[in-house]
Amino acid sequence: RKEVEQDPGPFNVPEGATVAFNCTYSNSASQSFFWYRQDCRKEPKLLMSVYSSGNEDGRFTAQLNRASQYISLLIRDSKLSDSATYLCVARDNEKLTFGTGTRLTIIP
Amino acid sequence: DGGITQSPKYLFRKEGQNVTLSCEQNLNHDAMYWYRQDPGQGLRLIYYSQIVNDFQKGDIAEGYSVSREKKESFPLTVTSAQKNPTAFYLCASSDRVAQPQHFGDGTRLSIL
Repeated sequence: RKEVEQDPGPFNVPEGATVAFNCTYSNSASQSFFWYRQDCRKEPKLLMSVYSSGNEDGRFTAQLNRASQYISLLIRDSKLSDSATYLCVARDNEKLTFGTGTRLTIIP
Repeated sequence: DGGITQSPKYLFRKEGQNVTLSCEQNLNHDAMYWYRQDPGQGLRLIYYSQIVNDFQKGDIAEGYSVSREKKESFPLTVTSAQKNPTAFYLCASSDRVAQPQHFGDGTRLSIL
């Protein structure tokens, strides 16, 4: 089983819709989590950290469920510019483990 | 502007040749990292460094070497021992180890 697992997609979603995807992690000792976005053939960029209480940044909401060992990302009012691959990351001390990413395409 | 600069953007290696990928940061970050990304796979850690003159192996260090002689610089050498070097190589840095990382724009390495 992969340490950090994501549905690869692709998710094809109409513009303006709400989309959510989850990421599961197997290491219960993971201390913190992040979401990155990666555009095609570009470097990953930090989207947001994920806090235990959940956190929101504009149209983006991240949640953490430690009991079930998953994190989620919700995107509201999706824009064409949200099309990207979203990478889930779990941290255990100095080690970051990246998921393979979920590909999202927003359709006009 | 502060950031991480990787060069070259594209690199071609001949069989049996060593090549060095450059990574420079002006963010004053202590920690630096090298990852490789293959199609359909997540980023895999090659090496990381928490401080100058110190570095540790990641999950896939075989066939690679690094140095950290200056805080700003963390070059990666892909040696001839790395039998499948074709990949997208990403350098990253963070204020401290395992804090959110900032990435350079990557180097694509291919075999001639």
